[in-house]
Amino acid sequence: DIQMTQSPSSLSASVGDRVTITCRASQNIGTSLNWYQQRPGRAPSLLIHGTFSLQSGVPSRFSGSGSGTDFTLTISSLQPEDFATYYCQQSYSTPAWTFGQGTKVEIK
Amino acid sequence: EVQLLESGGGLGQPGGSLRLSCAATGFTLNNFAMSWVRQAPGKGLEWVSFISGTGGITYYAGPVKGRFTISRDTSKNTLYLQMNSLRAGDTALYYCAKDRFSSAAAAGSFDSWGQGTLVVVSS
Repeated sequence: DIQMTQSPSSLSASVGDRVTITCRASQNIGTSLNWYQQRPGRAPSLLIHGTFSLQSGVPSRFSGSGSGTDFTLTISSLQPEDFATYYCQQSYSTPAWTFGQGTKVEIK
Repeated sequence: EVQLLESGGGLGQPGGSLRLSCAATGFTLNNFAMSWVRQAPGKGLEWVSFISGTGGITYYAGPVKGRFTISRDTSKNTLYLQMNSLRAGDTALYYCAKDRFSSAAAAGSFDSWGQGTLVVVSS
């Protein structure tokens, strides 16, 4: 299976900060990379699919980049509702889809 | 509006069985692939099983292959997960998740999720 490794595992940031989360795949996955947000006690929700494409209804402060093995999720100006855990997931290796271990974004 | 409502979780005995259900509204299962994804307490997400929009293709993660069976009833627009030979490692919150696409070839991104149903395997 393709291993997905996120860094950092957690971070502390303030409202208004620019936040970057990195995801690395154990092999080339092209741009078949998705990002999810999970708020405490809630189900995950899709933020970005295909590395770059913002899911409908997701604020434009979220953006994704990368290709091959290295990917980035950026939040341009952190808002109070963005404090959550973020997961990357590869959809390249059907059907063995795998998630990163998560990055928890906490209030500084 | 798409809604997914899971049910059927609870306490299962090691070696026992449980059947999870996921009632879908706002869309038709015939038009979209579906997956089950689980999350052990305090842990990350793990994909478990997939069924294509036609229902003709199913996939399973290694740890559950041969023990779990995914199915659906299109007349009820409901997805199921039959869980047999339960193990302690199956303890998790089980989410059903709608795929963005119908076909297996394009599948693997999940745009709607239910709130989950908790399965605890313990004697």
